[in-house]
Amino acid sequence: EVQLVQSGAEVKKPGESLKISCKGSGYNFPNYWIGWVRQMPGKGLEWMGIIYAGGSDTRYSPSFQGQVTISADKSISTAYLQWSSLKASDTAMYYCARQAGYCGGGNCYLDYWGQGTLVTVSS
Amino acid sequence: QSVLTQPPSVSAAPGQKVTISCSGSSSNIENNYVSWYQQLPGTAPKLLIYENNKRPSGIPDRFSGSKSGTSVTLGITGLQTGDEADYYCGTWDSSLSAGVFGGGTKLTVL
Repeated sequence: EVQLVQSGAEVKKPGESLKISCKGSGYNFPNYWIGWVRQMPGKGLEWMGIIYAGGSDTRYSPSFQGQVTISADKSISTAYLQWSSLKASDTAMYYCARQAGYCGGGNCYLDYWGQGTLVTVSS
Repeated sequence: QSVLTQPPSVSAAPGQKVTISCSGSSSNIENNYVSWYQQLPGTAPKLLIYENNKRPSGIPDRFSGSKSGTSVTLGITGLQTGDEADYYCGTWDSSLSAGVFGGGTKLTVL
């Protein structure tokens, strides 16, 4: 059974750094891309970026380029999303999901999702 | 402002059919595959339709997808109260070189 298990909720202050995780199991982790999606309170889904779990190839949405860093460690089947300096506007639920299809070929969909990590940034 | 445009809400009675539209452009929907996601209240999104009209294993055939030009439509027949959720379309945008979602549509089953 494919599963993506995310790290727990975080409460941080503005300016602090943070790294949240997403551990995959039940499939060959390095063979797939992992995507991250933001959902701000009461709002819709926003595609942040994806990483090839077997290497370092990463693609970011222009809206998130330079704001976050996506990484992965295939040896422990885990992907990460990190911030160097959080802002109150980063308060949101963050989902990781397995990217199926091949985005470069225009076939880009997220077939399995993690449970989400709630990040709250408040002074 | 989302790249893909969906109606904010739709509603229908139990047992009826509803359609949810999603419109885009030549840089996204027209030339790439589209997927649909269902997000029940308080839960993570779930893949409902991929490659415009294919259903993952376990998704009932009450759910269907179609595409025409720069628009796609999600159809749900035999509506149930358990279908009350937010529905999102998603695709790749070749101009942005990034994935994009619609703003989401809230389905109410009256």
